[in-house]
Amino acid sequence: SQQGEEDPQALSIQEGENATMNCSYKTSINNLQWYRQNSGRGLVHLILIRSNEREKHSGRLRVTLDTSKKSSSLLITASRAADTASYFCATDAGGTSYGKLTFGQGTILTVHP
Amino acid sequence: GAGVSQTPSNKVTEKGKYVELRCDPISGHTALYWYRQSLGQGPEFLIYFQGTGAADDSGLPNDRFFAVRPEGSVSTLKIQRTERGDSAVYLCASSLSGETYNEQFFGPGTRLTVL
Repeated sequence: SQQGEEDPQALSIQEGENATMNCSYKTSINNLQWYRQNSGRGLVHLILIRSNEREKHSGRLRVTLDTSKKSSSLLITASRAADTASYFCATDAGGTSYGKLTFGQGTILTVHP
Repeated sequence: GAGVSQTPSNKVTEKGKYVELRCDPISGHTALYWYRQSLGQGPEFLIYFQGTGAADDSGLPNDRFFAVRPEGSVSTLKIQRTERGDSAVYLCASSLSGETYNEQFFGPGTRLTVL
């Protein structure tokens, strides 16, 4: 079953604009991760945020986590055409289940040049 | 310095046949994961190996699915009596260890089509 649910399902923007994707989940987590997938490079890890963190940055990526609402958001600033891909959140419950990722259905991002 | 490799990249089979999908993890990675991704969906966990043993196989959908990792490196996912619903991309990932958080590196996947 899919624990993470992303919205929107699809997002279309112009190059230079910011893109925000949201993820909700249902059970407690150790960490939440965001991945990008495109046909050329497969599934690539972008960023991880632990359950005791509220915000994390990596380059043009900003991730927030609200464990009280069981939600996370991924912001991509100053988007580029090369950012066009599907983006997935994945939760890791930790404990004996470390690495057993539960993925959402993903957001398809299209960045128009 | 190769990443995770999977063979074959594409597999077409007929309903009822047996298939084997292979995963070569990154050298030195003790944890190995199999996921299945259906069209338009996120990957779905199947099984996790720590070394040679299956630490968690709770995601295997039924007893037609089986996976091995006899020497703690290469893993093979085996599907018996394939059904059309088994059609999906099968992804393999590896990480340094599954006992604490380590980034998972994914292979390109094997696209399985059951006719």
